[in-house]
Amino acid sequence: KAGVTQTPRYLIKTRGQQVTLSCSPISGHRSVSWYQQTPGQGLQFLFEYFSETQRNKGNFPGRFSGRQFSNSRSEMNVSTLELGDSALYLCASSLGGTVGYEQYFGPGTRLTVT
Amino acid sequence: QQQVKQSPQSLIVQKGGISIINCAYENTAFDYFPWYQQFPGKGPALLIAIRPDVSEKKEGRFTISFNKSAKQFSLHIMDSQPGDSATYFCAAGPNTGTASKLTFGTGTRLQVTL
Repeated sequence: KAGVTQTPRYLIKTRGQQVTLSCSPISGHRSVSWYQQTPGQGLQFLFEYFSETQRNKGNFPGRFSGRQFSNSRSEMNVSTLELGDSALYLCASSLGGTVGYEQYFGPGTRLTVT
Repeated sequence: QQQVKQSPQSLIVQKGGISIINCAYENTAFDYFPWYQQFPGKGPALLIAIRPDVSEKKEGRFTISFNKSAKQFSLHIMDSQPGDSATYFCAAGPNTGTASKLTFGTGTRLQVTL
């Protein structure tokens, strides 16, 4: 089975712009979670989508949003970028539902905000 | 109460030795405890996971020990190899039956020397 794929792998944006990141989960996985990884804050949970519905949300401002499509692919959007948004954004997929806690991560998208 | 505390921050072990990384949690709602391995430029890879109904789980050279009463769990890497040099993260997930939200430790950078 193909793993979790994320596009693009690298992105450079200017403060104030917006950005959209994409994640394709492992085939058959219905849950997609997004995490932000920075040297200072470590790995922090952003939100989770299951069957096109946001099921869980972390403590991030409303500038961070996401969505999931009927094929389980997910996108994450960050509006009005700030320098502090520079991070590795990781997507993880799992079977979801009441089984399949195991989350498998993609390689991440490295976002640099200048 | 959502924190997962991980130690040590960094660890140097000789080839063939045992690497031990410890984690502690506070939230008794956690009931799923995975360990992830991350190489530079890659996403975290699921190594091994445990649930509180067992005190130990072994997969190859990797063993998780779990102490429910102390709310602590640890990763032991037996016969450590240079290829094990990476950053290791412990995590904890809630028992909601449907959510995949993980709370991560701060990571341990392991270096295995020849």
